[in-house]
Amino acid sequence: TQLLEQSPQFLSIQEGENLTVYCNSSSVFSSLQWYRQEPGEGPVLLVTVVTGGEVKKLKRLTFQFGDARKDSSLHITAAQPGDTGLYPCTGTASKLTFGTGTRLQVTL
Amino acid sequence: SQTIHQWPATLVQPVGSPLSLECTVEGTSNPNLYWYRQAAGRGLQLLFYSVGIGQISSEVPQNLSASRPQDRQFILSSKKLLLSDSGFYLCAWTRIDNSPLHFGNGTRLTVT
Repeated sequence: TQLLEQSPQFLSIQEGENLTVYCNSSSVFSSLQWYRQEPGEGPVLLVTVVTGGEVKKLKRLTFQFGDARKDSSLHITAAQPGDTGLYPCTGTASKLTFGTGTRLQVTL
Repeated sequence: SQTIHQWPATLVQPVGSPLSLECTVEGTSNPNLYWYRQAAGRGLQLLFYSVGIGQISSEVPQNLSASRPQDRQFILSSKKLLLSDSGFYLCAWTRIDNSPLHFGNGTRLTVT
């Protein structure tokens, strides 16, 4: 099982700030997924990236898949309190295992 | 459309008691099924996965076991719970071609 490392592990920012979180591995993935999990609920899929260098946008969220398909980033513009949650990633090659996730706290 | 049901939502059990958590999927056939556990403030840890009836793979040696008696039913069990078994248990499914995971709403287990 390939190891997925996510950074930072914790991030606390104020509303309106921008942020980027990362998902890295030494393995190549055919696809990679980002999820968001709110307290007391199951994770919900945000996006799947498939092609190296691919960029996908979901409102204020921008996802990028690395050219070598070993890493990915999630950028949030003008964070809102509703963005608070855990953001784990998982890759298809190691999809049975999640990264530990980045826990994001957005305060007013 | 596909749905996943997981119950109970919360459970408080004494140490040494048995456990049975059930998960069922509707609207699809031959799903891959997964059990994850999440300790407080931590990430998701894969416990078991199944690619078919009676086929169970264990990722982490522990006090728990899993069974898949029917195509769309996945059960997590323990004969004697430990305090360390407390956590948030999530069931998930994917299509057989490994599309993204779809999660149930989870069971919060507290072992006292």
